[in-house]
Amino acid sequence: AQSVTQLDSQVPVFEEAPVELRCNYSSSVSVYLFWYVQYPNQGLQLLLKYLSGSTLVKGINGFEAEFNKSQTSFHLRKPSVHISDTAEYFCAVTPYSSASKIIFGSGTRLSIRP
Amino acid sequence: GAVVSQHPSWVICKSGTSVKIECRSLDFQATTMFWYRQFPKQSLMLMATSNEGSKATYEQGVEKDKFLINHASLTLSTLTVTSAHPEDSSFYICSVYRDSGADTQYFGPGTRLTVL
Repeated sequence: AQSVTQLDSQVPVFEEAPVELRCNYSSSVSVYLFWYVQYPNQGLQLLLKYLSGSTLVKGINGFEAEFNKSQTSFHLRKPSVHISDTAEYFCAVTPYSSASKIIFGSGTRLSIRP
Repeated sequence: GAVVSQHPSWVICKSGTSVKIECRSLDFQATTMFWYRQFPKQSLMLMATSNEGSKATYEQGVEKDKFLINHASLTLSTLTVTSAHPEDSSFYICSVYRDSGADTQYFGPGTRLTVL
């Protein structure tokens, strides 16, 4: 079985400051990793994904994430946030063996202060 | 990627009535779609897997007679909430699964259901 832990339910930061949203996962099998963003009253939009290869993955809107297999982490980072980044962020995994099944973390609400 | 639409985007209905939500894959044929439910400030909970031309597979605890899923074509899946009650009020989101080496789900914009 797989599980995803997002330790921070809320992260407040000032505009133009850097941010890191933490994600740890647990799985007995190899997994693909994803970050999704959800703006208020909208569905989920794929930010970035790690399938294989380079452990540093770049996504849309200036976000990037680094896969760390030894620490089973996939933290999301952005060097300078904007007001428009205010949203809910979900980390997710899918096992290789059942790639259509996605397991979400509980989400982190990123709020940007001017 | 993939473009997914949902209709309606929001609906308000009276208790006891049925509501149908449509999920469309606009730019490719999807044999597999998923339906999720999201309560306020919570993550998505998978309700069922919708397979074109066959019966949906429901997750444990989800009443299949209450949440009817029909995947009649490769571009359309519908979720019907039958005899809706206030506790069914939620945000319903569908996704399509695209197995193109990327193994990724693409999500619709969601439907906000409010049952009075």
